[in-house]
Amino acid sequence: DTAVSQTPKYLVTQMGNDKSIKCEQNLGHDTMYWYKQDSKKFLKIMFSYNNKELIINETVPNRFSPKSPDKAHLNLHINSLELGDSAVYFCASSQLGGELFFGEGSRLTVL
Amino acid sequence: AQRVTQPEKLLSVFKGAPVELKCNYSYSGSPELFWYVQYSRQRLQLLLRHISRESIKGFTADLNKGETSFHLKKPFAQEEDSAMYYCALTGNAGGTSYGKLTFGQGTILTVHP
Repeated sequence: DTAVSQTPKYLVTQMGNDKSIKCEQNLGHDTMYWYKQDSKKFLKIMFSYNNKELIINETVPNRFSPKSPDKAHLNLHINSLELGDSAVYFCASSQLGGELFFGEGSRLTVL
Repeated sequence: AQRVTQPEKLLSVFKGAPVELKCNYSYSGSPELFWYVQYSRQRLQLLLRHISRESIKGFTADLNKGETSFHLKKPFAQEEDSAMYYCALTGNAGGTSYGKLTFGQGTILTVHP
């Protein structure tokens, strides 16, 4: 019974391509997040949505566009992929003010 | 600006030895501190938070505002404690910024038999 699920788990693509990572949570949470973990294992928040509204938007290139069709889903679309986008992207969810529950991560490799 | 520093990237101890994972933070207001853990092949999960003041799996962490530290301690390490540990901070105890956790760079703890 997966709580926060991300697809795909692994993604290998060429520079310049456009790709999406999907995230779904079945915990009934109202807030969802995208975090990026770089090669040095630093975890940094990118976006957060509460009830489909963007509430946190860190300094992220506008090639990255999150989309939340409903409370249970938060997708991440990346245009014109660059080598530096290679990372593990983690989705998370919570009730606002509550503990974060993370997905397993999606490892993106840009060649 | 808020910052979390975990000075040790790797920490190795033997089973039964005490372990302390260091965490220092920088934040001008009143922070809320957490420890997250990622066991091998598992997802990142909350281990404990300072406001709950509880001991989880034998681990404790005390917020020291004078030293701006939130070190994670366990008196007797077990092999199953081997994992990646992240210290994290949020500036608001609740509210829309709650999920805006600032993470340290993580410490890989290895407990040898």
